[in-house]
Amino acid sequence: QKEVEQNSGPLSVPEGAIASLNCTYSDRVSQSFFWYRQYSGKSPELIMSIYSNGDKEDGRFTAQLNKASQYVSLLIRDSQPSDSATYLCAVRDGGFKTIFGAGTRLFVKA
Amino acid sequence: DADVTQTPRNRITKTGKRIMLECSQTKGHDRMYWYRQDPGLGLRLIYYSFDVKDINKGEISDGYSVSRQAQAKFSLSLESAIPNQTALYFCATSDFRGGYPDTQYFGPGTRLTVL
Repeated sequence: QKEVEQNSGPLSVPEGAIASLNCTYSDRVSQSFFWYRQYSGKSPELIMSIYSNGDKEDGRFTAQLNKASQYVSLLIRDSQPSDSATYLCAVRDGGFKTIFGAGTRLFVKA
Repeated sequence: DADVTQTPRNRITKTGKRIMLECSQTKGHDRMYWYRQDPGLGLRLIYYSFDVKDINKGEISDGYSVSRQAQAKFSLSLESAIPNQTALYFCATSDFRGGYPDTQYFGPGTRLTVL
């Protein structure tokens, strides 16, 4: 059974701090990795995708991938109250399937 | 206009009723998916379709059926709704013709309540 694991949280950080969200996956042949943001009652919205080991930066967001450790993370710099949401990690395996983690709830305190 | 639309957005129905949820997309993607989301369980795949002639079961297909009427349309049916099918349902699309990454894009969701 292929799995994607995330800490459910809630992760609480003060406004302006760095929020660090983590995800581990079980399938070693996974190819693509995604972070989605989901506000309560809304649909998941793609934040970033990453395919190669290392860091990928987009504005205040940095995704980090370590395939040897089967670990992917998302850093949010200068966190804002509007970043308060559930963050879903998704992993596309070597076949066709994308598996979603259950998500980490982030709360940014003003 | 939204690239992926779902109708209805909200639906309350009774046990035993037949329900159809519809999804349309203007993204031109070849792949379409139906997920349900329950609190604490994340997104679970119900059915997926890689093109009009290709329909596949996901991890929780029992009690559901689908129809891919056209490349842009993918419908989910509950033949006889039961209360544990109360959930938030999402349609998603992706474009694999160009290869990876096969990113999925989601519709706004349908909140279904079965009494």
